[in-house]
Amino acid sequence: QKEVEQNSGPLSVPEGAIASLNCTYSDRGSQSFFWYRQYSGKSPELIMSIYSNGDKEDGRFTAQLNKASQYVSLLIRDSQPSDSATYLCAVNGGSGGYQKVTFGTGTKLQVIP
Amino acid sequence: EAQVTQNPRYLITVTGKKLTVTCSQNMNHEYMSWYRQDPGLGLRQIYYSMNVEATDKGDVPEGYKVSRKEKRNFPLILESPSPNQTSLYFCASSLGAGYTEKLFFGSGTQLSVL
Repeated sequence: QKEVEQNSGPLSVPEGAIASLNCTYSDRGSQSFFWYRQYSGKSPELIMSIYSNGDKEDGRFTAQLNKASQYVSLLIRDSQPSDSATYLCAVNGGSGGYQKVTFGTGTKLQVIP
Repeated sequence: EAQVTQNPRYLITVTGKKLTVTCSQNMNHEYMSWYRQDPGLGLRQIYYSMNVEATDKGDVPEGYKVSRKEKRNFPLILESPSPNQTSLYFCASSLGAGYTEKLFFGSGTQLSVL
């Protein structure tokens, strides 16, 4: 079982719709959860972080965390073509400590105009 | 401008020819790390450093070396590159290794080993 699992996609949504990206993790002791966006040929950039159960909203983005289910998700409301990118889920603070950040393989999102 | 600078952006080399990829950050960050990114495998950590003269192995350290003689620099060294090290490499840094720390990434180095 991979430490951090994501559906590779591509996930296609029409412009204006809600995109839902999901991530599961195996280390129950994980403390910190991040979503990075990576445009093709570019480096990852952080868009959301979440540390406690529940929802965290920032503009059109909402991160959701459920530690009991070992599940974290990212919702993008009013999706725009500029949101088309690969979204990487990252986890740390588990058995590897905070110096070890583990990434999922990413979900490719395509927003169709 | 706060940034992580990697060089070179692209590198083509031959098997066994030693190479170094440089990484420098101007944010006075304590923590630095190297990742490789391969299709279907995602970002995998090679080495990390918590501070000057403090480095440790990540998930895929074989065939790589690092050093941290100055806080701002964290070069990645391939003593004898092999074709399976063909990959996209990213250097990253953060203020520390606390659980809230976000990673700042360099622009990446696309390495091809022939």
